[in-house]
Amino acid sequence: EVKLLESGGGLVQPGGSLRLSCAASGFTFTDFYMSWIRQPPGKAPEWLGVIRNKANGYTTEYNPSVKGRFTISRDNTQNILYLQMNTLRAEDTAIYYCARLGKGFFDYWGQGVMVTVSS
Amino acid sequence: DIVMTQGALPNPVPSGESASITCQSSKSLLHSNGKTYLNWYLQRPGQSPQLLIYWMSTRASGVSDRFSGSGSGTDFTLKISSVEAEDVGVYYCQQFLEYPLTFGSGTKLEIK
Repeated sequence: EVKLLESGGGLVQPGGSLRLSCAASGFTFTDFYMSWIRQPPGKAPEWLGVIRNKANGYTTEYNPSVKGRFTISRDNTQNILYLQMNTLRAEDTAIYYCARLGKGFFDYWGQGVMVTVSS
Repeated sequence: DIVMTQGALPNPVPSGESASITCQSSKSLLHSNGKTYLNWYLQRPGQSPQLLIYWMSTRASGVSDRFSGSGSGTDFTLKISSVEAEDVGVYYCQQFLEYPLTFGSGTKLEIK
């Protein structure tokens, strides 16, 4: 059974940093692209970025809205996906999801973790 | 960026009736490989989004055949035949043709 479990959320002050983790299980982690997606309360999801699989060199793509502030990485020995978020702003407040990519769709999502940016 | 625009539903929809949700993209989502990279997700209250339809018309594993997807390169429809209580939530369309990947603003379904 595919499972994705995010952690690391919480309250952070504006300008601060936070690293989210997503523990993956139930599939061969290195075979799949993985993404981070966020959803502000009451709004639509926003794709943040993707990290490709082993066959594609684990390269990354980002949404321009977060490029330069957010970094996606993966630990393929422990099957963990990361999202490093720097210089956080109030508008980064959202539920953050990790998701597995199928062949052109998000086929599995985690339960999400809340990040609140406030003083 | 590709903009995804969703239509609204005349809520609430009577149980057992059909409902159609529309989605329009600002650019054709038809790839040269013949696939149309338009997906539909349902987010039930308090839950994560779940995949319903991918490649415009292919049902995801375990999804009821009451859900069907159709469309052209830029205009898409998700049809739910005989809506049930478990169909309540927000439906999102999403394009997977190019980065940045983008979602529609969502369409809420309420059942009467």
